[in-house]
Amino acid sequence: SAVISQKPSRDICQRGTSLTIQCQVDSQVTMMFWYRQQPGQSLTLIATANQGSEATYESGFVIDKFPISRPNLTFSTLTVSNMSPEDSSIYLCSVWDAGDTPLYTFGSGTRLTVV
Amino acid sequence: LAKTTQPISMDSYEGQEVNITCSHNNIATNDYITWYQQFPSQGPRFIIQGYKTKVTNEVASLFIPADRKSSTLSLPRVSLSDTAVYYCLVGGSSGNTGKLIFGQGTTLQVKP
Repeated sequence: SAVISQKPSRDICQRGTSLTIQCQVDSQVTMMFWYRQQPGQSLTLIATANQGSEATYESGFVIDKFPISRPNLTFSTLTVSNMSPEDSSIYLCSVWDAGDTPLYTFGSGTRLTVV
Repeated sequence: LAKTTQPISMDSYEGQEVNITCSHNNIATNDYITWYQQFPSQGPRFIIQGYKTKVTNEVASLFIPADRKSSTLSLPRVSLSDTAVYYCLVGGSSGNTGKLIFGQGTTLQVKP
């Protein structure tokens, strides 16, 4: 299965600023996803990161707030823009690859605190 | 996308076998069933994946009936370190969407 390196593992940021989270995979993967997990909650899918094209966002998430890049099959970034305390969450990268076991692998997450 | 339903919480004692059942009535033909474990402040960790019948690995067993509308994760002889949230997820075998939708998961509390 794929191995994911997610950076940073945690950060404390000032409101109004932006943070870019990186997701590096040790092999080429078909699909990459970004999730948010608010305190005490389950994971919510933010978007699918598409290689070479604009990400596909889920309802309630917009590109201006969460711009995503995926320049190749092993790397993606998620930016949390103009942060507010409500953005304090864990952000997770996930990958899917057909025929793999498991089909889905998750990064260790980025714990973001906005003050 | 198949929706899953699990118990919100379960309690057990060390050394007992724990069975967590997940309902997924509208599972698609090509969907797999995968269970993950999550500890606080960590990403979900893969436990087991199956398509039908029974799958067993070194940490768990997964039982899937013929109609595949439910599945049961079995954890033999749990320990305190098995206290975590367990997610049942369905999907992912086809390339058209591939995305997973998380339910609320089951919080397992193992007591001494």
